[in-house]
Formats: sequence, C-alpha cells, structure tokens
Amino acid sequence: AQTVTQSQPEMSVQEAETVTLSCTYDTSESNYYLFWYKQPPSRQMILVIRQEAYKQQNATENRFSVNFQKAAKSFSLKISDSQLGDTAMYFCAFMWNNAGNMLTFGGGTRLMVKP
Amino acid sequence: GAVVSQHPSWVICKSGTSVKIECRSLDFQATTMFWYRQFPKQSLMLMATSNEGSKATYEQGVEKDKFLINHASLTLSTLTVTSAHPEDSSFYICSATGRTSGNLDTQYFGPGTRLTVL
Repeated sequence: AQTVTQSQPEMSVQEAETVTLSCTYDTSESNYYLFWYKQPPSRQMILVIRQEAYKQQNATENRFSVNFQKAAKSFSLKISDSQLGDTAMYFCAFMWNNAGNMLTFGGGTRLMVKP
Repeated sequence: GAVVSQHPSWVICKSGTSVKIECRSLDFQATTMFWYRQFPKQSLMLMATSNEGSKATYEQGVEKDKFLINHASLTLSTLTVTSAHPEDSSFYICSATGRTSGNLDTQYFGPGTRLTVL
C-alpha cells in the first residue's frame, strides 16, 4: 500500500517570501503521478501542480514549483513570492497508474501567509 | 476546463431523513467519480469510487446501504445519505476524472457539500 507523509502540520511565511512544504511517500511502484492540491478556507480543492514520475524535469506552474527526488521518494512544493491568497491547507497526493486513478493523500500542511 | 460542480453546497436536515447530493462534470466526460468525506482540520477520506454504468466500490468501513451512490451518466453522480443521523454531519466532496482538455489521470474536485443533521 502507498503512504504519503507531510511532516509539517503548520507553517507560516511572510508575504513575498519563499516557503517549501515537504512531502514523502512510500511505494514499490515505478509508474505513478504526484500532486499538490490547495484547499483554501472556501474548502474547494484546487490542483496546484502535477508531476509524472517518469519525467525527470521538475514541474512548475508560475510561482509554484516542485523538487521531485524519485530515489528519495520526496516531492516538496516551493512557493515563491508568497501572497496572502496562498493561505490554505496544502495536500500532497499520490496516484498509481494501475489503481483506477485513486489518490492517496497526506495529512496536509496548513500554511499561513502573513502580511 | 475540467470543472466539477456539486449541489447543494449546504444542507440541513432532520434525523431520519434522506439527503441527495449531486456531482456534475460540466465540461468533460467523467468516466470515474469519487466521493470523499472530510472532518474539520483533517485530510480527505475516500468513501467510494464509481464508474459510469457500474456499481460503486466502497472503501472498508463505509456502509453501502447508508451511502447510496449512483453514476448513471458520464456527467452525473449522486450520493444519497439514507436515514441520516447527527454523526453523518460532515463535509462531503466529490471529484472526477475522465477525458478533459487537460490530463486524463487527474482528479478535479467539486466545491463540497456541508451536511448538518439535526
């Protein structure tokens, strides 16, 4: 079974600064996807970034980028130039290709961006 | 693209009544839909997976007779909480995967439904 661990229950960052959220996972599979989802106070789950395991290049989406270390089974999210609207719960998630698109979520990291 | 809607966003009902929650994929065909339950300050807990035209697959510990799931079309899945009790009060979220303009292997989430059972 796959597991996803987010070791930082809560984090805070000053507006305009950079913050990195950690995520590790455990799997014996080689083909899979990794995701970061954001859940703001509205509770709408929003896809932040997606990474295919077979791609060595780290995914980026504007101010969001990941550091994907496949051998170490690590998938951290870096948020640059943090904005107040980035305040949210962030979930790391794992999807195995042969599991019918099911997601395994980490416990989440609550990020507070301070003005 | 890849928009998922949920209705209602908030429902209050009396104990013993049934409540239906709808989940729709608005701009893509959802071959698979998922239903989650989320308690305050916790992660999402998968309740069941439904594929269009077939019976839902429930996770261990989820009562299939209490949480009825129907996925009758490629754009609609419904979750019915039967004979609801206060302990069923929670935030229910659906998600969908399928053929979108984006990625096939990505779950897109609805905005959630807050259920309060009095």
